[in-house]
Amino acid sequence: NAGVTQTPKFQVLKTGQSMTLQCAQDMNHEYMSWYRQDPGMGLRLIHYSVGAGITDQGEVPNGYNVSRSTTEDFPLRLLSAAPSQTSVYFCASSYGAGPPYGYTFGSGTRLTVV
Amino acid sequence: KNEVEQSPQNLTAQEGEFITINCSYSVGISALHWLQQHPGGGIVSLFMLSSGKKKHGRLIATINIQEKHSSLHITASHPRDSAVYICAAIDNNDMRFGAGTRLTVKP
Repeated sequence: NAGVTQTPKFQVLKTGQSMTLQCAQDMNHEYMSWYRQDPGMGLRLIHYSVGAGITDQGEVPNGYNVSRSTTEDFPLRLLSAAPSQTSVYFCASSYGAGPPYGYTFGSGTRLTVV
Repeated sequence: KNEVEQSPQNLTAQEGEFITINCSYSVGISALHWLQQHPGGGIVSLFMLSSGKKKHGRLIATINIQEKHSSLHITASHPRDSAVYICAAIDNNDMRFGAGTRLTVKP
């Protein structure tokens, strides 16, 4: 089925470890984005991309890296995990950032850093 | 002060009632995005609008750019509408979210 696939669904990391959260879409969407959701803070934009080879920072980019080598994939890298990065991470894609296109969200990755 | 404010934070309604959720923003925007987050955590995009009004089934979204305010209405509410509704202000490619409104519709 067409959509946004996020892997893994759950992950536990130790402080200082690195990992990559994967996000893939098969809808030929140009716009892709990563968010974190924390209790009491709501959703916050981490990084976004408007097409292959183009990425930019959102509201909370520190501690995260992204790249967009293909239209389909937009991985999020944690270089040295910290307990403050414990969160639920969502990836989303769309034809464009604004109207009239809605976004398709992945099912989320629950990350715990101990 | 948050750039995007939603009210109410929590809302309980009886099945069949008309629901209104409000969203005010203090930033300049190119569009306003309404999202629904199911109890299981999945997020669905409901509306993206930059002016006027949009309708999909029992859901209606309106926006007043001059007043920096948007509303989401649900007509004839149903228990399956129970979810968290989130508005987000889009400024070019950046998006800032409200804290969400938790709606519970009782049968």
